[in-house]
This record gives sequence, structure tokens and C-alpha cells, in this order.
Amino acid sequence: EPEVTQTPSHQVTQMGQEVILRCVPISNHLYFYWYRQILGQKVEFLVSFYNNEISEKSEIFDDQFSVERPDGSNFTLKIRSTKLEDSAMYFCASSVGQAANSYNSPLHFGNGTRLTVT
Amino acid sequence: AQKITQTQPGMFVQEKEAVTLDCTYDTSDPSYGLFWYKQPSSGEMIFLIYQGSYDQQNATEGRYSLNFQKARKSANLVISASQLGDSAMYFCAMRGVNTGGFKTIFGAGTRLFVKA
Repeated sequence: EPEVTQTPSHQVTQMGQEVILRCVPISNHLYFYWYRQILGQKVEFLVSFYNNEISEKSEIFDDQFSVERPDGSNFTLKIRSTKLEDSAMYFCASSVGQAANSYNSPLHFGNGTRLTVT
Repeated sequence: AQKITQTQPGMFVQEKEAVTLDCTYDTSDPSYGLFWYKQPSSGEMIFLIYQGSYDQQNATEGRYSLNFQKARKSANLVISASQLGDSAMYFCAMRGVNTGGFKTIFGAGTRLFVKA
């Protein structure tokens, strides 16, 4: 069964450094997402991406964050200058469709990247 | 605004018994989808079951079923014949056709402990 893959599984970085989290969504999926989960807490929406542009973003997704689909398969999340509070599990997800009548598309998640900012 | 509420931070169930995990939601969308995800201690998020707001019947997937009561805005997950491997965090989630836009929102989760 096709799956979403994320690399690395764990990233440790110093405060103020830039990090790039990488994801390969399922190949026939059209919509891509980043979520984060601070340890043991809620799964929070960051951003959604469709047709090579951001379709929606949350208030968490400020100017320090950016997303990119540099080629036909990869989807990346960049944090420009990490803060201690950015420490979390970051999940990439993809779904088949998001048309008006396809709100039934479940998210398919990768295994996550655990980001630790020291 | 959309909201998902899971009022049970933790639940215990005896192996082989059934358990119900509660979920209530609020939305102004005329059409929406409700989802349940499982997160084992290893951390991955696993899709379990989906219920559409216009579906006449409650969704079922193996040992999982969804008790959908639209008037009460509840979408409780029922796990029958619990197994030790069911011990995990369970998240209820929702996406609406209009106000949900491109995002799925999640509840705070319920941690299920299955006792041998």
C-alpha cells in the first residue's frame, strides 16, 4: 500500500538555525498538508498546499515557516530561525481530493519528524 | 467556527470488552466529514473510519463502528472486542465542505488503555 514518507525521523537543531523537513506524499494525491503535535498534545494544522501554492494556513504558520514542492515528488517545510517552542512532532499528510464533495478524503500521514530545538 | 470536543482524556477497558470513545463537534457547514485516527505509542497517525454527514447508516470498519447522532452532533467511536494492541491515543477529526476549507481539525484525543 502506498504511503507518505518523511525524513529525517528525528532532527536536533540549535535555536536560531534553519531546518528543512522533507516529505514524499502518495503519488496520486493532490493535496498536501503539514501538521504539528507538541508532545502528548493536540494535532495542530499548519498549512495546506494545492496546485503549487498554499491554499490555507493557520496563525501558527508565520513568516518563519515556508513550504515548497521543489519537484514532482517532494514536499518540504522550512523553519528559518527555530525557536525552543518549535520543538514538536511534525507530520506531513496528503489526501486524494478536496473538491466540494470530496470532504470525505481522509488524511494519510507520514510517520513524522521529531524536531528538538536546543 | 468548527470545533471538536473529546471529553475523556483517558479510558480503561478490559480485553475482549467493547468501549465507546466520545466525540462531539460543532460546525456551520451543511456538509462535513468525520474521521477517527489512532496514534500508537510509536507515534504514527492511522486512519480508522469515516462518516459523512449525509450518510444514512453508521460507518463500520471491522471492529470499529461509528455511532453517529447528527442532531446531537456526536460521532462516538465504538471498538468491539478490545485487544491489547488497541491501547493508543484516539483522535476525532472533522472537515467541512465550506468553512473547513482545506484543513481537517482534530480533538484533544482520548488515551485508551486495554487491560489483560
